[in-house]
Amino acid sequence: AQKVTQAQTEISVVEKEDVTLDCVYETRDTTYYLFWYKQPPSGELVFLIRRNSFDEQNEISGRYSWNFQKSTSSFNFTITASQVVDSAVYFCAPTRESARQLTFGSGTQLTVLP
Amino acid sequence: DSGVTQTPKHLITATGQRVTLRCSPRSGDLSVYWYQQSLDQGLQFLIQYYNGEERAKGNILERFSAQQFPDLHSELNLSSLELGDSALYFCASSSSGREYNEQFFGPGTRLTVL
Repeated sequence: AQKVTQAQTEISVVEKEDVTLDCVYETRDTTYYLFWYKQPPSGELVFLIRRNSFDEQNEISGRYSWNFQKSTSSFNFTITASQVVDSAVYFCAPTRESARQLTFGSGTQLTVLP
Repeated sequence: DSGVTQTPKHLITATGQRVTLRCSPRSGDLSVYWYQQSLDQGLQFLIQYYNGEERAKGNILERFSAQQFPDLHSELNLSSLELGDSALYFCASSSSGREYNEQFFGPGTRLTVL
């Protein structure tokens, strides 16, 4: 069975601090895809990034970076120099060949204080 | 703006009633997904359509049904509504409905059942 866990329910940081959001995806599948979405207070779901299970190269895009370690099933997302506008709920959501829909984690509420 | 539109934005109705939620996917996207977000169950996949045909089914109740029309817009029909059906209903679209495609979400329809 597959399981996606976002153990951090809430995180609070002060503006300009770096913050890392954790996600663990346990599966026996060898090929899968991991997505991060953001849900700001306005309610819409915004796509942030996608990673493939066969690509462990870490990437940086602006203030966002992500670290994927297949051996530990962890897929972490870091925001550098956080801003108040980053305050939102962040969801980790995998898909796989036999289940193409997103399976959302429980989400992490990030609050960035001024 | 994701390019996915959903109407109406808010819907208030009574128990036992029937409602229809509408979704127009991004231009060029062939696949539509419906998700439900509630406080107790989180974000859950309901159903997926690809080019007019049902592709996958999730935790969708028998009282709920959906379809995708030739112009690719989709409707989610909810009948015999119960208090517990109150939730935010999202539609998402992707280009080919494959597991590696990003899904882009509409703004959601907030359903309140009184």
